[in-house]
Amino acid sequence: EVQLVESGGGLVQSGESLRLSCAVSGFTFSNSWMHWVRQTPGKGLTWISYINGDGSITSYADSVKGRFTISRDNAKNTLYLQMNSLRAEDTAVYYCANSLALWGHGALVTVSS
Amino acid sequence: QTVVTQEPSLTVSPGGTVTLTCTSSTGAVTSGYSAIWLQQKPGQPPRALIHSTNNKHTWTPARFSGSLLGGKAALTLSGVQPEDEADYYCMLYYSAAQVWVFGGGTKLTVL
Repeated sequence: EVQLVESGGGLVQSGESLRLSCAVSGFTFSNSWMHWVRQTPGKGLTWISYINGDGSITSYADSVKGRFTISRDNAKNTLYLQMNSLRAEDTAVYYCANSLALWGHGALVTVSS
Repeated sequence: QTVVTQEPSLTVSPGGTVTLTCTSSTGAVTSGYSAIWLQQKPGQPPRALIHSTNNKHTWTPARFSGSLLGGKAALTLSGVQPEDEADYYCMLYYSAAQVWVFGGGTKLTVL
């Protein structure tokens, strides 16, 4: 059974950092392009970042470039999103997704100003 | 800034047919944009329906189909069921910038 489980969300102050994790099982993680997508409560979806299978290719949305870093540990079947200099507007549910086909249930990040 | 536009809301009768569209501010949408369509119901994560413009996932019901229509990406639902009431999002890939962009979503009401 395919599973993607996000963790690491929570409440932080503006300017602080947080690292999200996405533990996966049920598919060959090391071959998969992985994405982070976020959704502001009650609003639409925003693509944040992707990383290729071996971690050599990454891309970011302009809204997070320079503040967020995507990475992966293929030995642990885990995807990460390091979020620095957090702002109130980063408050959202963060989803990880395998090739934008299979999605986790999300982790809530709340940034208090 | 690139903007992807969808109809904010549409209403369809059960058993009817409806087409949702996805427009790019940069011009005509082609197969190179690798359009993706997602369905999201309240309190649930998104569920992918269509990838690469017109390819269904193994779990996608047959009544959903993707296409290109008049320079737009399109999602057509034929024989709409009450359980199809949801928000639908398209995504387009902009290869030059290497970024994906979501549309604002279409709220589909089955009434």
